[in-house]
Amino acid sequence: ETGVTQSPTHLIKTRGQQVTLRCSSQSGHNTVSWYQQALGQGPQFIFQYYREEENGRGNFPPRFSGLQFPNYSSELNVNALELDDSALYLCASSSGQVGVEAFFGQGTRLTVV
Amino acid sequence: AQRVTQPEKLLSVFKGAPVELKCNYSYSGSPELFWYVQYSRQRLQLLLRHISRESIKGFTADLNKGETSFHLKKPFAQEEDSAMYYCALRDYNTDKLIFGTGTRLQVFP
Repeated sequence: ETGVTQSPTHLIKTRGQQVTLRCSSQSGHNTVSWYQQALGQGPQFIFQYYREEENGRGNFPPRFSGLQFPNYSSELNVNALELDDSALYLCASSSGQVGVEAFFGQGTRLTVV
Repeated sequence: AQRVTQPEKLLSVFKGAPVELKCNYSYSGSPELFWYVQYSRQRLQLLLRHISRESIKGFTADLNKGETSFHLKKPFAQEEDSAMYYCALRDYNTDKLIFGTGTRLQVFP
């Protein structure tokens, strides 16, 4: 068990709504990254947080935003949901050092209808 | 552009057969490459990384900079190796992982 937990595990939302996904990082890890994994695709990098600051962002629109808290847990917020936002959202935590393994959570399955 | 390519969506072999899952990358600079594995109903987990030059569960992968490849190999496949395998590259500028689309390995008895 890696210690990275995500909630909720499954979620159904309507197009146009807003959603918040949560991630508790592994103890001792100060870096959290979020990935979107669409069906049949590999995970795509959304953004990363290091010590409560955004530290890198992928090709996702501004309606994807995040937060990291002093305990290094994190939230992913998506506004104005679109059908294409339906995917598995993965959180990964690491110590932020080069070459150090990132541990993934089990993911949140978001379905937008 | 930074990219990871896994040309095979599905690879099916019989138990005891050799396995090679292909991975090619495009990256300007010295890459850091990984193989991640996802077993059924389990989370994504690191299998091995090129800088460790280790063998995990009988799998090895060698970085070939000339061919820009990082193929995953195992001489004798086992049924429990059946899983989804993702090749990934770490972008040093952003510290993000760039994943391929994955290859599903099916090992038949």
